[in-house]
Amino acid sequence: DGGITQSPKYLFRKEGQNVTLSCEQNLNHDAMYWYRQDPGQGLRLIYYSQIVNDFQKGDIAEGYSVSREKKESFPLTVTSAQKNPTAFYLCASSILPGYRETQYFGPGTRLLVL
Amino acid sequence: GDSVTQMEGPVTLSEEAFLTINCTYTATGYPSLFWYVQYPGEGLQLLLKATKADDKGSNKGFEATYRKETTSFHLEKGSVQVSDSAVYFCATYSGAGSYQLTFGKGTKLSVIP
Repeated sequence: DGGITQSPKYLFRKEGQNVTLSCEQNLNHDAMYWYRQDPGQGLRLIYYSQIVNDFQKGDIAEGYSVSREKKESFPLTVTSAQKNPTAFYLCASSILPGYRETQYFGPGTRLLVL
Repeated sequence: GDSVTQMEGPVTLSEEAFLTINCTYTATGYPSLFWYVQYPGEGLQLLLKATKADDKGSNKGFEATYRKETTSFHLEKGSVQVSDSAVYFCATYSGAGSYQLTFGKGTKLSVIP
């Protein structure tokens, strides 16, 4: 079955530590996205990638970094510079980038700070 | 940029009741409109979408019509079930040429037997 997988389901971060969230898709989609969800709020875009080896910042990129070395993979690193990282992180993909395309979401990773 | 505003909940209904969740949008062009559903502890699932004015999206008994004259995309279902309990998000893109989905704050629906 095609889909988007995210791992781990739960992740714990210590002070000053960088952590990496995995996102893999086997849908052959060109575009991939990372969103952050806080309780009682909608989703906010962190980064997006239209194609391999290319990515752009979203509204809340500070304290995060990404890479897109393979079409199927778009890992997100939460760095120590992100002072309030506790949230639910959702990865998404679409066949093409573009403002009429449907984005499909993975199951999410919940990040907690110890 | 373009945006959506949806009614905030929570909404509590009895099984088999009629559901409406209001969503209005502001847009400079004709963006696609989406409804997503999120079950507890899970990611978002696409529920339905519409790509142009007067389009009706439908899925699993849910419907929404893209109404340009009222700039609305209200979600409706004739008879809700306990399994429909979830959070529902209305979404559109932030503007022509944008790659960013912008979401409403979500409406939590609880259906009681």
